[in-house]
Amino acid sequence: GNSVTQMEGPVTLSEEAFLTINCTYTATGYPSLFWYVQYPGEGLQLLLKATKADDKGSNKGFEATYRKETTSFHLEKGSVQVSDSAVYFCALSDIRGSTLGRLYFGRGTQLTVWP
Amino acid sequence: DSGVTQTPKHLITATGQRVTLRCSPRSGDLSVYWYQQSLDQGLQFLIQYYNGEERAKGNILERFSAQQFPDLHSELNLSSLELGDSALYFCASSVEDRTNSPLHFGNGTRLTVT
Repeated sequence: GNSVTQMEGPVTLSEEAFLTINCTYTATGYPSLFWYVQYPGEGLQLLLKATKADDKGSNKGFEATYRKETTSFHLEKGSVQVSDSAVYFCALSDIRGSTLGRLYFGRGTQLTVWP
Repeated sequence: DSGVTQTPKHLITATGQRVTLRCSPRSGDLSVYWYQQSLDQGLQFLIQYYNGEERAKGNILERFSAQQFPDLHSELNLSSLELGDSALYFCASSVEDRTNSPLHFGNGTRLTVT
């Protein structure tokens, strides 16, 4: 089946620190991979995506590379800001059958950045 | 602003009752998804509609039902409510029902069952 495992939080960093949030997946087909971000009191927003192996998604200084050999899609940012404090969700979408379009989410990782 | 509108924002009701959550998708989006977010289960996919037709079902209880209307808005009906149904319910929409089509989420309806 399809599933996503991401690192447990919370993650607490100082401003300008380097961020890594690990994400690994299990999929029956050839999934697309996503990172979504949820700010307090809001819905999830797409942060970045990658649709095939070795693709790198990037947005707002965040990056993630689709690694088929390690079934991973780790999120990284070189220098975090206080405004990056949010919950980050790794997700996959499988191309097969009735699951078209449906996203499978990890449990989310709470990031808090201190000034 | 994602363009997806969910009403109401908050709902407090008693066990055994029935409620309806409403979602208006982003303009032009044909596909609507419902998700339940709770502390113990995380984000759980409930059901998906595409252009008025049910497309996929997830972990949706028999007490729950949904539909998508001709104007593409969707409603999620929750009946015989239990304490464990307390959660944040998200609606999301996308242009089509394909793998690469990103989802746009509303801000959710927070349901509290007392």
